[in-house]
Amino acid sequence: DAKTTQPPSMDCAEGRAANLPCNHSTISGNEYVYWYRQIHSQGPQYIIHGLKNNETNEMASLIITEDRKSSTLILPHATLRDTAVYYCIVRPPYGGSQGNLIFGKGTKLSVKP
Amino acid sequence: NAGVTQTPKFRVLKTGQSMTLLCAQDMNHEYMYWYRQDPGMGLRLIHYSVGEGTTAKGEVPDGYNVSRLKKQNFLLGLESAAPSQTSVYFCASSYVQGAYSYEQYFGPGTRLTVT
Repeated sequence: DAKTTQPPSMDCAEGRAANLPCNHSTISGNEYVYWYRQIHSQGPQYIIHGLKNNETNEMASLIITEDRKSSTLILPHATLRDTAVYYCIVRPPYGGSQGNLIFGKGTKLSVKP
Repeated sequence: NAGVTQTPKFRVLKTGQSMTLLCAQDMNHEYMYWYRQDPGMGLRLIHYSVGEGTTAKGEVPDGYNVSRLKKQNFLLGLESAAPSQTSVYFCASSYVQGAYSYEQYFGPGTRLTVT
């Protein structure tokens, strides 16, 4: 079973920030928070990951609470092309079976004009 | 740099037929993975490989076999297809440094229908 909890769906107005929450209350000290998204029928796309510090890249920002039990993915200016299912996944950094991704059902983000 | 490619994109099989799905990556990644995705569900891991000549079972391995004869290729075989194997199949690869593996890069998927 996935170790994260996400809302099944969210709406966002085009041009506004999209804030996608994720709960991971049982996260272990060495586990990272990863975010992927899947645009309709395509392969999942890596977005960002972090351990405990906030992270930012060209696609998004990741805010992790101090206790690391939850996080928020922020798309600063959502566009219609950001409509997708977003997956929050926790995993240790190691290879092998320990580091395999476990996908839940994710959050279906709909960006509306 | 094509990333991860999958062949074929679509396939229809009759029950009992066999086929092989091919995944190729040009990023020199050590790790490769095969997933399946059923409607409305997240991806589930079928098999994975941590290097050339090695394979391991994932969450849902039954009915599938895999081979990793070359580092850049990972093959998924269905020996006797069943309607329950109707799904979208995704391949992925990831970079490894020492004991650490990094983000996975996914292919575009193969849509398989078994009638």
